Amino acid sequence: GAVVSQHPSRVICKSGTSVKIECRSLDFQATTMFWYRQFPKQSLMLMATSNEGSKATYEQGVEKDKFLINHASLTLSTLTVTSAHPEDSSFYICSARRWDRNYEQYFGPGTRLTVT
Amino acid sequence: DAKTTQPPSMDCAEGRAANLPCNHSTISGNEYVYWYRQIHSQGPQYIIHGLKNNETNEMASLIITEDRKSSTLILPHATLRDTAVYYCIVRPQLTGGGADGLTFGKGTHLIIQP
Repeated sequence: GAVVSQHPSRVICKSGTSVKIECRSLDFQATTMFWYRQFPKQSLMLMATSNEGSKATYEQGVEKDKFLINHASLTLSTLTVTSAHPEDSSFYICSARRWDRNYEQYFGPGTRLTVT
Repeated sequence: DAKTTQPPSMDCAEGRAANLPCNHSTISGNEYVYWYRQIHSQGPQYIIHGLKNNETNEMASLIITEDRKSSTLILPHATLRDTAVYYCIVRPQLTGGGADGLTFGKGTHLIIQP
């Protein structure tokens, strides 16, 4: 089946620093990827839609200047959390959409971010 | 997207069929029922989806009532690895457009008991 990877799987950073999370589609090309966030004991919340070669579309309430998304190739999207704060600590999950499988989304394993 | 209602948790004995209900009384004609599951600390996994006919694949069966106001996901022979949160999502069919991001509710935490 389709495989989506994320790197790193978990990261601890200090408040005020920036962290980059990578999302890769390993065996297919994805013009569109999605970024979700999940706080403890809560459901996934869509943050933004990442489109290859164009600007990301952010959901209401998500700061585009804080969560920078770059989708420079058909297999890689990156999410950079800038000037991270403890309240940004969360589980970040990406998904990649596969056009040849009825546009189904295949999810990555997630990245656990802890900001101290 | 139409709202869904699922029980917060369910138990099922290993080897038995797990039947997970979902109510979606406001579903509209062009909306499909999708099921995903999330094993603890992992990304969600697609299970199955359908419009009005019952569907079956290697993972599960999906039974949709004739009025489409509710559905049931059936795992025919549950194993301990099926312990997860199961999400029922109602939305128009994925089309490759910009609005394909998924809206997850609280889901049902299914616990398979040995």
